[in-house]
Amino acid sequence: QVQLQESGPGLVKPSQTLSLTCTVSGGSISSGTYYWSWIRQHPGKGLEWIGYMSYSGNTYYNPSLKSRVTISVDTSQNQFSLKLTSVTAADTAMYYCAREVTTGYNWFDSWGQGTLVTVSS
Amino acid sequence: SSELTQDPAVSVALGQTVRITCQGDSLRRYYASWYQQKPGQAPVVVIYGKNNRPSGIPDRFSGSSSGNTASLTITGAQAEDEADYYCNSRDNSADHVVFGGGTKLTVL
Repeated sequence: QVQLQESGPGLVKPSQTLSLTCTVSGGSISSGTYYWSWIRQHPGKGLEWIGYMSYSGNTYYNPSLKSRVTISVDTSQNQFSLKLTSVTAADTAMYYCAREVTTGYNWFDSWGQGTLVTVSS
Repeated sequence: SSELTQDPAVSVALGQTVRITCQGDSLRRYYASWYQQKPGQAPVVVIYGKNNRPSGIPDRFSGSSSGNTASLTITGAQAEDEADYYCNSRDNSADHVVFGGGTKLTVL
């Protein structure tokens, strides 16, 4: 059973860069059947897709965040990461990493527990 | 890009059947998946594809689709089904992911 775990600072100052890492255990991040995603949820609000990296290394981002987002993978550590630049209070949210199944249907079969990031000085 | 629209809130009497719907153009091309989220927890998939339940999801959960509308049906709702439910699919470009705004289900 694959498990995902987010890690990173819980407090980021405005204008700085938010950096989170998702560690994958119980399965290889190099598997050719999954995409690796970041999803966030503002307090009391719905889910917002941030972006993903495909097994081929291509990245796709939410158009509303594209100019500020970078997702990368470190296969040696079995981790993938999120960087969000120039953060503001509007980026305060619970951040989830998730694995998307791509064989047959697209769906998220595994999620991390989430990590709350607050943007504040 | 594409949007998925859900009713913000739905209620159901204990033991009755409830349908939660999700509308969007991309649903004409892609099946929706459905996620249950309880307070303080990460989302959990309950339905994916045409009508598939992951292991451990009760068979009272089922999915269907017609035209631009996907539906999640809970037959014989239980108190533990009270949660937020989100639909999800690809957008029409196939490259981007979209989520519905979520439906808060109250079991009376």
